[in-house]
Amino acid sequence: AQKITQTQPGMFVQEKEAVTLDCTYDTSDQSYGLFWYKQPSSGEMIFLIYQGSYDEQNATEGRYSLNFQKARKSANLVISASQLGDSAMYFCAMREVSYNFNKFYFGSGTKLNVKP
Amino acid sequence: DARVTQTPRHKVTEMGQEVTMRCQPILGHNTVFWYRQTMMQGLELLAYFRNRAPLDDSGMPKDRFSAEMPDATLATLKIQPSEPRDSAVYFCASGRTVSSTEAFFGQGTRLTVV
Repeated sequence: AQKITQTQPGMFVQEKEAVTLDCTYDTSDQSYGLFWYKQPSSGEMIFLIYQGSYDEQNATEGRYSLNFQKARKSANLVISASQLGDSAMYFCAMREVSYNFNKFYFGSGTKLNVKP
Repeated sequence: DARVTQTPRHKVTEMGQEVTMRCQPILGHNTVFWYRQTMMQGLELLAYFRNRAPLDDSGMPKDRFSAEMPDATLATLKIQPSEPRDSAVYFCASGRTVSSTEAFFGQGTRLTVV
């Protein structure tokens, strides 16, 4: 089974509007972390936001927020007030920590295009 | 501004040649990951180290790939012999501890094997 599922291969959003990128995950662990990374055309991977499985509040970092719904196993990224520079690939990732091991799983990514 | 540094940024090599990719993790980070990114497979975890010891390299083809951390400031990923199917972008990432909240990525090494 896929550990991380991103069902939107590509999305368009109008500049200044908000956009939600979907992510669902699969784990039987109680302790895990959820991440979003941005990969612009330059290829680097930029950390955006983190949510711990025990965190009760949704994580926020500037214009980024993570809509964490534990029962549904979803961790959607919300970008408010989109900017042209937000055009990039976005990856959702999960880290499982079990038996002192540390495994990272990435989704297939969503390509976001912000239109002027 | 602390960052993970990878060298080289680009590498083109002939099939059969040895390739070594290097990574300098962020100072103080004790967990290092190696990932491979391809269009077909996406991001795959190849190996990770904690305190320089390999904890898991099950994602790595053992016959030709090897990963080491000779010291806390250097991680290497070696392919010998290289094959065209190894063409990919190889990322190194580092984090503070096993349960650190983020992993910071380097800019990647784009490898092309012809």
